Amino acid sequence: KNEVEQSPQNLTAQEGEFITINCSYSVGISALHWLQQHPGGGIVSLFMLSSGKKKHGRLIATINIQEKHSSLHITASHPRDSAVYICAVKRVGTASKLTFGTGTRLQVTL
Amino acid sequence: GAGVSQTPSNKVTEKGKYVELRCDPISGHTALYWYRQSLGQGPEFLIYFQGTGAADDSGLPNDRFFAVRPEGSVSTLKIQRTERGDSAVYLCASSFQAGGLYEQFFGPGTRLTVL
Repeated sequence: KNEVEQSPQNLTAQEGEFITINCSYSVGISALHWLQQHPGGGIVSLFMLSSGKKKHGRLIATINIQEKHSSLHITASHPRDSAVYICAVKRVGTASKLTFGTGTRLQVTL
Repeated sequence: GAGVSQTPSNKVTEKGKYVELRCDPISGHTALYWYRQSLGQGPEFLIYFQGTGAADDSGLPNDRFFAVRPEGSVSTLKIQRTERGDSAVYLCASSFQAGGLYEQFFGPGTRLTVL
């Protein structure tokens, strides 16, 4: 079993829909990242959080440390949001290296 | 300021050849990380540097892989006797310092194809 699991693996939504991507992890962590990867492109960090909730524009990330779960929400989705969204954690005791989920491929259609 | 840059963006090589992949971190970032992403998978950790020294190389798959960062800035990932299974996107990231509260910034990656 992977230490970081994401669901769903693939997601198709229509423009304007509210989207939720989930991440569950099985290890103690010091921080969790949500990352965005466009086809053929590099990885962009969206959020780094260790507790509570963060918001940036139409994106919201939440984390529940007790339940070892995080969610990424996209409000009023747009085709330009189409990308792979990756959850990654910094495990306690492993300094800085990240352990990644396999990603959620999101396609937003008109 | 400039972000993390990686060169080359694409590298095609033949099985058995030697390759070098370069990473230029954000200026002033002391921590540098190498990850590998195979098709359809999330990235996997290879090695990270704090300054000039490799602080954790536990992700290097075997002794054909080696990385250096001689002056604490640019890093080179070296792969000897390449195999087809080494084909992947190699990602570099840097952060101001190592540690849980410092965000990592990623480069665009080098796509390595071993024929």
